[in-house]
Amino acid sequence: DGGITQSPKYLFRKEGQNVTLSCEQNLNHDAMYWYRQDPGQGLRLIYYSQIVNDFQKGDIAEGYSVSREKKESFPLTVTSAQKNPTAFYLCASSISGPLGTQYFGPGTRLTVL
Amino acid sequence: ELKVEQNPLFLSMQEGKNYTIYCNYSTTSDRLYWYRQDPGKSLESLFVLLSNGAVKQEGRLMASLDTKARLSTLHITAAVHDLSATYFCAALNYGGSQGNLIFGKGTKLSVKP
Repeated sequence: DGGITQSPKYLFRKEGQNVTLSCEQNLNHDAMYWYRQDPGQGLRLIYYSQIVNDFQKGDIAEGYSVSREKKESFPLTVTSAQKNPTAFYLCASSISGPLGTQYFGPGTRLTVL
Repeated sequence: ELKVEQNPLFLSMQEGKNYTIYCNYSTTSDRLYWYRQDPGKSLESLFVLLSNGAVKQEGRLMASLDTKARLSTLHITAAVHDLSATYFCAALNYGGSQGNLIFGKGTKLSVKP
């Protein structure tokens, strides 16, 4: 079955730790995205990538980093520089960049202890 | 800067009633998306509206786009309990980060018997 997978589903982080969230898609989509969702809020773009080995900052990139070494994978690292990382993180992909409909993965809920 | 506002943010409806969710956006965008999110789950794509006057319908939901008024609506006909969810609209931001969808805060719909 084609789709987007994210792991883990739940993640707990201690203060000062870096953690990496996984996002994999087998839809053969070129573009991939990371969003953050806070309670009662819409989604905000962290990073996006339109092709392998290229990515761009979104509106709230500070404290996050990404890589895009393979078309199907777009991991997100939440660094210790992100002061308020507790949130629901959603990965998305689209077939052809910004003009294609974005399809979302199941999400990772990150909690800082 | 593109901003997207939805109203109402909370909507409690009785089964069988009709209602409309409004999505206003502040600057030019001709690509408007509607998504559904169930509690703790990911976003499901409902509609993509690509031009002025576009209207799309799926079951009890109908979405429309008026680019001149910078307004999209999601109309619910004869609501049923299964429609209870949070509905987000998102407009494509041509002026910002490429591929940046700007989301509204969502409308939490509760359909009661």
